[in-house]
Amino acid sequence: QVQLQESGPGLVNPSETLSLTCTVSGDSISDSYWSWIRQPPGKGLEWVGYIYYSGSANYNPSLKSRVTISLDTSKNQFSLKLSSVTAADTAVYHCARVSKYHGWGIHYYMDVWGTGTTVTVSS
Amino acid sequence: DIQMTQSPSSLSASVGDRVTIACRASQSISTYLNWYQQKPGKAPKVLIYAASSSQSGVPSRFSGSGSGTDFTLTISSLQPEDFATYYCQQSYSTLWTFGQGTKVEIK
Repeated sequence: QVQLQESGPGLVNPSETLSLTCTVSGDSISDSYWSWIRQPPGKGLEWVGYIYYSGSANYNPSLKSRVTISLDTSKNQFSLKLSSVTAADTAVYHCARVSKYHGWGIHYYMDVWGTGTTVTVSS
Repeated sequence: DIQMTQSPSSLSASVGDRVTIACRASQSISTYLNWYQQKPGKAPKVLIYAASSSQSGVPSRFSGSGSGTDFTLTISSLQPEDFATYYCQQSYSTLWTFGQGTKVEIK
């Protein structure tokens, strides 16, 4: 079955760049869309962005100037980089696969999620 | 941005109760609405996509309805394993947004 696993540093210094990787097994990264979602402690889900298999991406406007999502097809991975982090970026970060449903139009939903990785921004 | 507002933010219910959670979009999103369930310390799980289509393996007591700006997630008979937080999410826009969540607690 399809599995996603996040990896990366659990602690990042303020003003530095947060870098996370999602390793995909059981599916080809070239066949779907892929997304990052985060959840600050005790709060709700926040969509960070998603990337198409073509390599183009859409980002949350509140993060757009600081975020980059990219694909590595050779490793079947996709990555998140968030620059100039502050304590407000402390969260559990999840990666997810985006599936499509062809109804009246194309509906996108996140059907397979990684377990999440906790990132704390602190010196 | 399209804002998603859920109500209530939390509710208390008993096993066997019928539970309804509402989600309202700030503009019409047709049926581009998904519902997720999240248990503490776990990743979210999709229950409903395209407003009313059930994800494979999801119990039939979960159902979704609505279109335009108003949507509903219904649990027909609440089970012990259903105590969790539920989120709606729109995919009408290329910029996705979640509702703030509804926590379902044991009465």
